[in-house]
Amino acid sequence: DAGITQSPRHKVTETGTPVTLRCHQTENHRYMYWYRQDPGHGLRLIHYSYGVKDTDKGEVSDGYSVSRSKTEDFLLTLESATSSQTSVYFCAISEPHYEQYFGPGTRLTVT
Amino acid sequence: AQSVSQHNHHVILSEAASLELGCNYSYGGTVNLFWYVQYPGQHLQLLLKYFSGDPLVKGIKGFEAEFIKSKFSFNLRKPSVQWSDTAEYFCAVNRGGSYIPTFGRGTSLIVHP
Repeated sequence: DAGITQSPRHKVTETGTPVTLRCHQTENHRYMYWYRQDPGHGLRLIHYSYGVKDTDKGEVSDGYSVSRSKTEDFLLTLESATSSQTSVYFCAISEPHYEQYFGPGTRLTVT
Repeated sequence: AQSVSQHNHHVILSEAASLELGCNYSYGGTVNLFWYVQYPGQHLQLLLKYFSGDPLVKGIKGFEAEFIKSKFSFNLRKPSVQWSDTAEYFCAVNRGGSYIPTFGRGTSLIVHP
């Protein structure tokens, strides 16, 4: 498996609180992604990064921000968590052959 | 916008049955095609991929997929499924040269022993 870790693996938080999820890679890949996975919706792209400080929005970016200050770390922040953001969040990396390698996931519950 | 359709949302089979999962995409140009598998409680893993060349590609665990350009399809097949193939299967498509994939909604496969 590619060297991708996510932290925390599980988190329960209250509505309105800020939450930051971390993705760390040891592969030195340029592209990193954040997805959310929900029943009936499959995998939906939140944000992605194509280099340090280079990020762009995916299809479900509202309510989320990201930062990438180092090649190996990609942070996803929920500025003010809502119950609709309860989900499983996966980080992925890609390069050089376009296929994606996924982290173990973070299960986030917003109460 | 590009879309990826997986027509079978839930499939239930008995062991040793043959499997075919459909995947169709809407983009007409060059594409890179992927199938990923997600075992219960785990993350997605690459099953197989197609970039160019022989349209019949073989992946891990006895899976194969055929790219039919005229039908914009990339169907996944396995001649004889096992209980351990119980998982969710995702088709994904990149436009040629793009690192941003579009995923299908997934097909849940349950194999009864």
